[in-house]
Formats: sequence, C-alpha cells, structure tokens
Amino acid sequence: KAGVTQTPRYLIKTRGQQVTLSCSPISGHRSVSWYQQTPGQGLQFLFEYFSETQRNKGNFPGRFSGRQFSNSRSEMNVSTLELGDSALYLCASSLDGPRNTEAFFGQGTRLTVV
Amino acid sequence: GQSLEQPSEVTAVEGAIVQINCTYQTSGFYGLSWYQQHDGGAPTFLSYNALDGLEETGRFSSFLSRSDSYGYLLLQELQMKDSASYFCAVREMWGNTPLVFGKGTRLSVIA
Repeated sequence: KAGVTQTPRYLIKTRGQQVTLSCSPISGHRSVSWYQQTPGQGLQFLFEYFSETQRNKGNFPGRFSGRQFSNSRSEMNVSTLELGDSALYLCASSLDGPRNTEAFFGQGTRLTVV
Repeated sequence: GQSLEQPSEVTAVEGAIVQINCTYQTSGFYGLSWYQQHDGGAPTFLSYNALDGLEETGRFSSFLSRSDSYGYLLLQELQMKDSASYFCAVREMWGNTPLVFGKGTRLSVIA
C-alpha cells in the first residue's frame, strides 16, 4: 500500500511569488490535513479537508488556501510569499471519523523563500 | 481551544529509561496520541490512549490520566536510534476539530 506522497520535495521561491504544493493520500483515506512545521513551533495546523470540503482551518492568513479533489488528492497554495513562509509543509491523511487519531504523514515539501 | 505543553528537550543515556510528559488544557477529547519524527523524516504514529492507564508497545509505553490532564511517553532500553522529536496530539470532541500537536520534545540519546 503506497504511503502519502507529497510533491515537490524541495522548492525555492522568491518573495512575492506564489506556490502550489500537492499531496496524494493513502488509497481509501478521504481526510487530508496540512501542517506547517518550523523549528521550535512544532506542527501548526493549516487546513483539513474531507470529501472535497474544508472541514477546519487554522489561524493562518488568507494567502494560504487549499482544496481537495474528488480522488482525495489535495493541493495547498500560498500566494504573495513572505520570508517567514519558509518551512516544511506536511500533509497527513487518515480514515474518516473524529475518533480516528492515527494520521499518516508524507515526507513533506521543504519550501525556502528568498 | 486546546493547548499541549511538552518539554522542549530531553537528554538520556543509552540503555536508560526516559519519560516525556505532555500536559494539556482541553475540556474534552477523544484520546492522546504520540508521534515520532526523526530529523529529515515524516512524523510517524507511535501510540494512542483512549482511556486512562498505560498502553505498552514493546519498548514504548504511553500513559493517560484525564483527571490530571496529563500523559506521558515512556521509552525503555534507550537506543541511539531513539534520538528524535516526539509529539503529543489530541483531537477535541466538540464538532469537527482537527488533530492538534504539541510543540514537540527533542530527545537526544547519548552513549
């Protein structure tokens, strides 16, 4: 069974540009969540999608957006990039159900904004 | 909302036992999870406590006390490969809430 796949693995962008990150969940998983990880801040929640609907949104500015497709694949977009957006962006998929707290993470996309 | 507190760093000797604590402030949640993340790697699921008490999985055990708003991860017979960051996480039971993580504890195992 293939794991969670995130593309690209590494990305370098300049300030003001926009970026789109992709996540393919484990087959059969309909819930996809995105997290931003920076040193000392742990995993900060960005969004959660289920069946193409955004179920939750973290405390991030509107420059951060996302969507989920009918095949459960998800993308997140960051517009007008800032230096502070440099981070590891992690995607996690899980089975449906609020009691399910086992999330499976991808290797992440390392975004560097220069 | 929920808040999870963990020590930022812990150092322990190879072969020893180490306990990583997690205290939380939330009015209700389904259970406490633990994840391990090696440098450059993805977080991986370690354990889940739905009920109070101790759950054991090999060298790792996890404990939850809802009355004390407290849980911990216990690692026995430490090995160098256990050097990693460890995160506790909860999902609140009010509405559709996300899985939220603590800031993580970096464990360094030394010889």
